[in-house]
Parts: sequence; C-alpha cells; structure tokens
Amino acid sequence: DAKTTQPNSMESNEEEPVHLPCNHSTISGTDYIHWYRQLPSQGPEYVIHGLTSNVNNRMASLAIAEDRKSSTLILHRATLRDAAVYYCILSSSGAGSYQLTFGKGTKLSVIP
Amino acid sequence: EAQVTQNPRYLITVTGKKLTVTCSQNMNHEYMSWYRQDPGLGLRQIYYSMNVEVTDKGDVPEGYKVSRKEKRNFPLILESPSPNQTSLYFCASSLSYNLPQETQYFGPGTRLLVL
Repeated sequence: DAKTTQPNSMESNEEEPVHLPCNHSTISGTDYIHWYRQLPSQGPEYVIHGLTSNVNNRMASLAIAEDRKSSTLILHRATLRDAAVYYCILSSSGAGSYQLTFGKGTKLSVIP
Repeated sequence: EAQVTQNPRYLITVTGKKLTVTCSQNMNHEYMSWYRQDPGLGLRQIYYSMNVEVTDKGDVPEGYKVSRKEKRNFPLILESPSPNQTSLYFCASSLSYNLPQETQYFGPGTRLLVL
C-alpha cells in the first residue's frame, strides 16, 4: 500500500479553522484518500474521502492537490469534541479485498 | 440505528483460557474485519471476511481464529490467550470488500487483559 506522512501532533484554538496536512507522494491513480478520526476511548470513525476533486460534507472538507501527492483535511470551526487522532489513509482496489492501513495519525488538541 | 456492536467491552482473563469476542452488524454488510490496537503500533488487521464462510488472514493472525457463519456476525476466538494478546480490539464492517471508496464502520472496542 502507498504510504502517507502526517505530523505527529497539532494544536488549534476552539472555534478556529484547522488544516491537517497529509503527504502521499507515491499515490497511484486508483487510490482513494480517506480520513478517519479516533476520539479518546472510541473506535475510529469515518470523516471524509475523495479521489481527485475537493469534497465537502457536514463534518469537514477535503482539499486534494492537483497532482494528488498531498491533501488537507479542513475542519472549519474546531470544537472541543474534535480533539482526536486523525488518520489519512489510502485505499485501492486490486486482487482480493481492500484494506485500510492505519498509520500513527495526527493527534489534534483543541484549546478552549 | 446502523451500528457495529462488540461484546464484551472489557475482559480480564488468564493465560490459556479460551475466549470469544463477539461482533455483530445490522447493516447487511458483506465485509467484516478485526483489528488490534497497541501503543506505538497503531491499528493492525487480524482477520477479515469478504462474505459468509469466506475468511482470510490479515497482518497479525497468529493466535486468533474467526468464523463467519452468518452475515451479521463475525466472532474473534482466542483458543489459548497469552499476555502478548493484551490489547484493544476493534471490529469493523463495510458494504463490500472490493470497492476502495467504501466506508468502514467500527465497533466501540473490546479491551482485553490476559494475565
């Protein structure tokens, strides 16, 4: 699987936007970019995913670079509930089933 | 409510005593999998199942067994638990096994301590 690189940790003030970066320079043309987050003491939860175009949903926005070698998860207004570990993951189809390979993610702290 | 449930949520056991962690989903998903999460190692896949009676090994299958007799259930079996299986376990499911854009839904986790 293609690898992703994320900062270990980031901080944000409450009610301010947060931009979480992810580098994936070896991404292939069929790889989807997924973001999951894991709140303390909970299982990972889906945030957003995309292939080539920028994506928006009720939780966040995903900005994908034109060359697809990097992406940014945007939380428009951080709340205390957004404090979590955020994982940027690539998945692609191929022989057999696909797998989500979780790295170490970015631990986001939100300061009141 | 669409969900993945796991039982028990917490378990303390002793070395060698067989145990089963249950996982159930109510979304009619084809694909189910088990992960373990350990500090510094992240989430690693143990086993997965693409449909009823179809299972395969993930990255760390040693010491574990699974079965998929019904679509909704995917139990994880530790025949002879050892202390190195002390971990946080997550079950996950998704609609299909071969569409990389599919979302995986995770259970709340089972924290296992093997003495």
